Amino acid sequence: AQSVTQLDSQVPVFEEAPVELRCNYSSSVSVYLFWYVQYPNQGLQLLLKYLSGSTLVESINGFEAEFNKSQTSFHLRKPSVHISDTAEYFCAVMKTSYDKVIFGPGTSLSVIP
Amino acid sequence: KAGVTQTPRYLIKTRGQQVTLSCSPISGHRSVSWYQQTPGQGLQFLFEYFSETQRNKGNFPGRFSGRQFSNSRSEMNVSTLELGDSALYLCASSVDSNYGYTFGSGTRLTVV
Repeated sequence: AQSVTQLDSQVPVFEEAPVELRCNYSSSVSVYLFWYVQYPNQGLQLLLKYLSGSTLVESINGFEAEFNKSQTSFHLRKPSVHISDTAEYFCAVMKTSYDKVIFGPGTSLSVIP
Repeated sequence: KAGVTQTPRYLIKTRGQQVTLSCSPISGHRSVSWYQQTPGQGLQFLFEYFSETQRNKGNFPGRFSGRQFSNSRSEMNVSTLELGDSALYLCASSVDSNYGYTFGSGTRLTVV
């Protein structure tokens, strides 16, 4: 069964500093990969996704993630974080178009003023 | 356009009772998935429905069931509630699951 690992449960970072949230998945086949964000007291929102093509995908609010097949990773990065980026971030994987989506345990990003 | 609507937002039930949660997906979305979110277990997949058929199922006991109607609205039912069923139940809809989900705000179920 596929699984998703997010090694860092909590990541504190100062405002305007760069951040990387790590995500690794276990699958021997091609996968679809997603990052979702959950702001305090809100539902989950899709941040970005990798389906195929370019291994670097970007979101509209400055986050980017790179698919690395050899390392089975899909790390999320932002060069300069804002207070408003404080949230829980979830990595998710899907094996095929019709498979279930499995979520990682989440990483809590806290941006310190 | 309207988002994913889950009702009710909050529920308090007693052990042994049953409960039905409702989810109205975004218009045009045929895939509806349900997740259980708890602090200890994170997001656990319950099931996915697509065009009224259960397409995927998670590893939950048979007390958890669901269905989808012809208008894509979905319900999930939990029978014989246990204390451990207390959680936030999230519904997510999509045109198809590889497009990415739109989540509802969830139903907070407390079993006492």
